Amino acid sequence: GAVVSQHPSWVICKSGTSVKIECRSLDFQATTMFWYRQFPKQSLMLMATSNEGSKATYEQGVEKDKFLINHASLTLSTLTVTSAHPEDSSFYICSASSRGASSYNEQFFGPGTRLTVL
Amino acid sequence: QKEVEQNSGPLSVPEGAIASLNCTYSDRVSQSFFWYRQYSGKSPELIMSIYSNGDKEDGRFTAQLNKASQYVSLLIRDSQPSDSATYLCAVNRPTGTASKLTFGTGTRLQVTL
Repeated sequence: GAVVSQHPSWVICKSGTSVKIECRSLDFQATTMFWYRQFPKQSLMLMATSNEGSKATYEQGVEKDKFLINHASLTLSTLTVTSAHPEDSSFYICSASSRGASSYNEQFFGPGTRLTVL
Repeated sequence: QKEVEQNSGPLSVPEGAIASLNCTYSDRVSQSFFWYRQYSGKSPELIMSIYSNGDKEDGRFTAQLNKASQYVSLLIRDSQPSDSATYLCAVNRPTGTASKLTFGTGTRLQVTL
């Protein structure tokens, strides 16, 4: 149980284009999904928290107009990196949490998406 | 002071030995504590969670929590080369309806033959 998938697993795009990353909880309903970014040899940095049917809450310093998050259902959240630039190249990882399954808010991570912007 | 602190390592242990990984946290209202394993180029994998003071054992892994000292540790018995990875300590801090995890920078473990 508690399987989270992400698509695509890697993407290479040109500077100025937009990239959409999907995060799905496959065997449970995720009331909350989280988006992280990880640069090489650094720890995970939380970008935003999204709850199904409501606007995402962004961490300080994360541009909400650049990183668009949609959590349309209990099993799907998407992150769109708009007008991507080389400095956006990173490892993007989503996680999902279900308050119904556990009161301790364990987060289960997707496999990550490696974004390279040329 | 960082919210979650870990020694970055690398921590090198011989195969079959016990690896001891430590983590301290600053927020006393933290309720839940997690250890994740992350292999290079992969996403984190939850290996242990602990919520009460004391020890929690799962196979070769034992998590220890001391809330008075704001300290949580992970012991790996009979270490195997496949245990070589970065171990991330994460602490849950309730913030309204969505509880967030704060991660340490991780300890890199190397299990040598």
